Amino acid sequence: QKEVEQDPGPLSVPEGAIVSLNCTYSNSAFQYFMWYRQYSRKGPELLMYTYSSGNKEDGRFTAQVDKSSKYISLFIRDSQPSDSATYLCAMSPSAANAGGTSYGKLTFGQGTILTVHP
Amino acid sequence: KAGVTQTPRYLIKTRGQQVTLSCSPISGHRSVSWYQQTPGQGLQFLFEYFSETQRNKGNFPGRFSGRQFSNSRSEMNVSTLELGDSALYLCASSLAQGATGELFFGEGSRLTVL
Repeated sequence: QKEVEQDPGPLSVPEGAIVSLNCTYSNSAFQYFMWYRQYSRKGPELLMYTYSSGNKEDGRFTAQVDKSSKYISLFIRDSQPSDSATYLCAMSPSAANAGGTSYGKLTFGQGTILTVHP
Repeated sequence: KAGVTQTPRYLIKTRGQQVTLSCSPISGHRSVSWYQQTPGQGLQFLFEYFSETQRNKGNFPGRFSGRQFSNSRSEMNVSTLELGDSALYLCASSLAQGATGELFFGEGSRLTVL
């Protein structure tokens, strides 16, 4: 079983829809939770960054972390065709708790391919 | 501010050959990480360098190696290439050691092994 599970989709929605993307994880040491967006033939770019549990909102994007359930979500409101991309969740443990073994290492989900059609 | 630059962007090699990929991090960033991305396995961590020292290594065979120079530029090398090494190799830089997620990725070097 992978440390981070993410439904690869693909997910197709009409413009204006609310999109919900999710990841589950098994490593309770994870403290930092990220969502990256990757357009075709490009490198991933950081979209949202959350430390520990809670919600974070940035424009049309909301990230939620529920550490008790080991579950994170990304919501996209009023989705646009330009949101069509692969969305990757990523996690890392606290550097202080990692014992030096997790430097620079993010554990990624498989990625969800999202298409928003006009 | 220039982003992370990776060269070459595309390359084709044959089995048994070796390849060297280059990465120039964002100016001022001292940490460089390398990841392999394939359709089957997704993004997998290769190694991380900080101040010319390898701080962490993923579960890849010894054919995969890397180094970092005093100007923070990094290279990775894959020797005795196998078909399964075909992938997108991504370099990411961050400001501090012990990345907590704020990695900045380059566009990658797409390697095809025939």
